[in-house]
Amino acid sequence: DTAVSQTPKYLVTQMGNDKSIKCEQNLGHDTMYWYKQDSKKFLKIMFSYNNKELIINETVPNRFSPKSPDKAHLNLHINSLELGDSAVYFCASSLRGGFYEQYFGPGTRLTVT
Amino acid sequence: SQQGEEDPQALSIQEGENATMNCSYKTSINNLQWYRQNSGRGLVHLILIRSNEREKHSGRLRVTLDTSKKSSSLLITASRAADTASYFCATDAVTQGGSEKLVFGKGTKLTVNP
Repeated sequence: DTAVSQTPKYLVTQMGNDKSIKCEQNLGHDTMYWYKQDSKKFLKIMFSYNNKELIINETVPNRFSPKSPDKAHLNLHINSLELGDSAVYFCASSLRGGFYEQYFGPGTRLTVT
Repeated sequence: SQQGEEDPQALSIQEGENATMNCSYKTSINNLQWYRQNSGRGLVHLILIRSNEREKHSGRLRVTLDTSKKSSSLLITASRAADTASYFCATDAVTQGGSEKLVFGKGTKLTVNP
């Protein structure tokens, strides 16, 4: 069974469009994350939710809006996409917030043209 | 902000050889973690070492931590072609809002040639 799943795996869209990425974990974890990995493989945290509550927002443009309907799901909606948003977006989860080991999804490769 | 920095950036070895990757960080930590990322995949947790531990083993992996030098190393013994991946260290940090997070280094790209 997939522990952390994301859809879609690939997303190609034009500048100015709005798109969403969905994430689900079946590990029973309390905390979920969104990371952005750029073309140089640098991985940076964007958001973290603990039991549906936003606990980390790392100065991400407000075009990015995460939503957690329940603790097993964390979605990412992006408005007015820009070329610089092209990257791989990873969802992850951990038992609790803090410094626990994290389980990553397979990633969503977003290409903005 | 605190960040692990891996060294070397890239490493190419023959199957059967050992691979050593290093990670240096800037400020005190509670723990340090190593992750592997195969091409086109998500990161996979390998090992966590706490600040009061000096060495930890898991199968063919050996991780050391030297808090006085603010550095850690990951040793993969008897490497296999399947070990080809990028390896990242992650250190704990605190956001401006007081929440805890992991900060990842830029990774070491390991290639194991058959």
